[in-house]
Amino acid sequence: EAGVVQSPRYKIIEKKQPVAFWCNPISGHNTLYWYLQNLGQGPELLIRYENEEAVDDSQLPKDRFSAERLKGVDSTLKIQPAELGDSAVYLCASSFSGTSGGPHNEQFFGPGTRLTVL
Amino acid sequence: AQSVTQLGSHVSVSEGALVLLRCNYSSSVPPYLFWYVQYPNQGLQLLLKYTSAATLVKGINGFEAEFKKSETSFHLTKPSAHMSDAAEYFCAVSPLGGNKLTFGTGTQLKVEL
Repeated sequence: EAGVVQSPRYKIIEKKQPVAFWCNPISGHNTLYWYLQNLGQGPELLIRYENEEAVDDSQLPKDRFSAERLKGVDSTLKIQPAELGDSAVYLCASSFSGTSGGPHNEQFFGPGTRLTVL
Repeated sequence: AQSVTQLGSHVSVSEGALVLLRCNYSSSVPPYLFWYVQYPNQGLQLLLKYTSAATLVKGINGFEAEFKKSETSFHLTKPSAHMSDAAEYFCAVSPLGGNKLTFGTGTQLKVEL
């Protein structure tokens, strides 16, 4: 079974440029998460999708960040324009949430995209 | 809001020695608790989870953790460290019935010969 796929693995851009990250979750997983992981820190949730609906985007900086999951499968996270402080690892995770919901439905993480903003 | 505190950002043990990684949670009610491991340049992998069943939870790779409500702790242990255990370990908490994981700041485990 293929795991969560993310691309690119590494991205270097100059500040003020746009950047996009792509995530393909595990087949059949209806819940998709984007996390931000700063150096030396634990991941922090940016946005959670249930199918194609963003059900928790309270931590997403909406002035420059956007995300979509149009068909309820793969997802794209975009930053425009990027700032120096956006340098971090962006992790995607997926899980299957049944009727009982809850994160005890294990989240499977992708390898992440390491973004460097110069 | 729920949170977890991991004591010690870096822990070093000798190969074959006991591994003890500390995690304390803050919650008004017993939450769900998790330990994840992250190897360099990889995503997080679930080691084990506590979801209000048995207080002693056994995970993969010989790790286990014990939920202690009186101490609000969920420390991770392994009787005998192996070189392959060197990685970063994250404790995480979520509310019952909730869908949001809150991670600690992580503990980097170093295993020395």
